[in-house]
Amino acid sequence: AQSVTQLDSQVPVFEEAPVELRCNYSSSVSVYLFWYVQYPNQGLQLLLKYLSGSTLVKGINGFEAEFNKSQTSFHLRKPSVHISDTAEYFCAVSALSGAGSYQLTFGKGTKLSVIP
Amino acid sequence: DAGVIQSPRHEVTEMGQEVTLRCKPISGHNSLFWYRQTMMRGLELLIYFNNNVPIDDSGMPEDRFSAKMPNASFSTLKIQPSEPRDSAVYFCASSPLVSATQYFGPGTRLTVL
Repeated sequence: AQSVTQLDSQVPVFEEAPVELRCNYSSSVSVYLFWYVQYPNQGLQLLLKYLSGSTLVKGINGFEAEFNKSQTSFHLRKPSVHISDTAEYFCAVSALSGAGSYQLTFGKGTKLSVIP
Repeated sequence: DAGVIQSPRHEVTEMGQEVTLRCKPISGHNSLFWYRQTMMRGLELLIYFNNNVPIDDSGMPEDRFSAKMPNASFSTLKIQPSEPRDSAVYFCASSPLVSATQYFGPGTRLTVL
């Protein structure tokens, strides 16, 4: 079984400052890693994903994340945030199930609040 | 391209009533997932289908919940009878059969009074 821990439930940050949202995972098998963003009263939008290859992954809206296998982490970063980045961010892991499908396990989410 | 479509977007009903949530996956996607999001429990997988066949329903909370996928372009999640504790946002997601990437719909916000 897989599990995901998002270490911060809320992160306030001033506009144009950098931000890092932390994510650690646990799994006994190889996993794929995802970050989704949820804007108020909306669905989940895929921000970026790590499937294989380079451990530094770039996503939409200037976000990037780095896969660190030894530390089982997949932290999300942005060098300069905007007001429009205010949202909830979910880290998720996916592993192949016995039925031959991939299932997502989500963290509890981190609410990013950008302060003007 | 159209994404995952869910209806209704909002549903308010009274305890004991039947509720049906609907989902249309992205065309060509063979896997469909139903999730529930609450403040207390976060995002939980309820059930998923591959090629219209239910594969794992271990997340369905009670017998009051049922899901069907009669064809590749339509799925329903039914709650009968509904209870106040069922109030949540219900998401549908789809993916290609051998892909780990899921695409989510906008969700249905259910309020049971």
